[in-house]
Amino acid sequence: GENVGLHLPTLSVQEGDNSIINCAYSNSASDYFIWYKQESGKGPQFIIDIRSNMDKRQGQRVTVLLNKTVKHLSLQIAATQPGDSAVYFCAEKPEYGNKLVFGAGTILRVKS
Amino acid sequence: NAGVMQNPRHLVRRRGQEARLRCSPMKGHSHVYWYRQLPEEGLKFMVYLQKENIIDESGMPKERFSAEFPKEGPSILRIQQVVRGDSAAYFCASSPTPGNQPQHFGDGTRLSIL
Repeated sequence: GENVGLHLPTLSVQEGDNSIINCAYSNSASDYFIWYKQESGKGPQFIIDIRSNMDKRQGQRVTVLLNKTVKHLSLQIAATQPGDSAVYFCAEKPEYGNKLVFGAGTILRVKS
Repeated sequence: NAGVMQNPRHLVRRRGQEARLRCSPMKGHSHVYWYRQLPEEGLKFMVYLQKENIIDESGMPKERFSAEFPKEGPSILRIQQVVRGDSAAYFCASSPTPGNQPQHFGDGTRLSIL
């Protein structure tokens, strides 16, 4: 079935620390994964993506890791800032089709 | 470049009325996706359209819901005879082509049913 879930519903970190948000997915046929950030009252904002033929991808202050063996995805945010406070969603795209399957979300709270 | 534009941002309807949600994709994007989000939940796929065609409507209820993406103008998600359970945020996303690339989202329409 399609089930993308998150281990930690809420994550609180101190400003300047690194954050790690985790996601488990169940569809081994998914070939594309995305992390989105959603602020209150807004739509999901693209952060970073990764294809299934990769295990790591880096952006500006963010890194996504993909472990296909255990079907696990993580988002690392370096030097977390107050502006990073939001809900973070992982999403997967099954190999066939174009819809995204979203996880339930993790709330990231950054303490100053 | 303008992003994905959705209107209205907020829509209030009484039970039994019709709701029309509009979405203009990003410039150059011909693929549109609609998702629904309940409070404190992730987004759930409803329908995927390309210009004048519905490609995948597997997530859209068979009754009362319909979607279109005409050759000219925005994509429309239409909900007839709304019920309380239709209250949600409805998001539209677009992409230039299908496949393994990001879908870019608008800021949604919050639908409230009285």
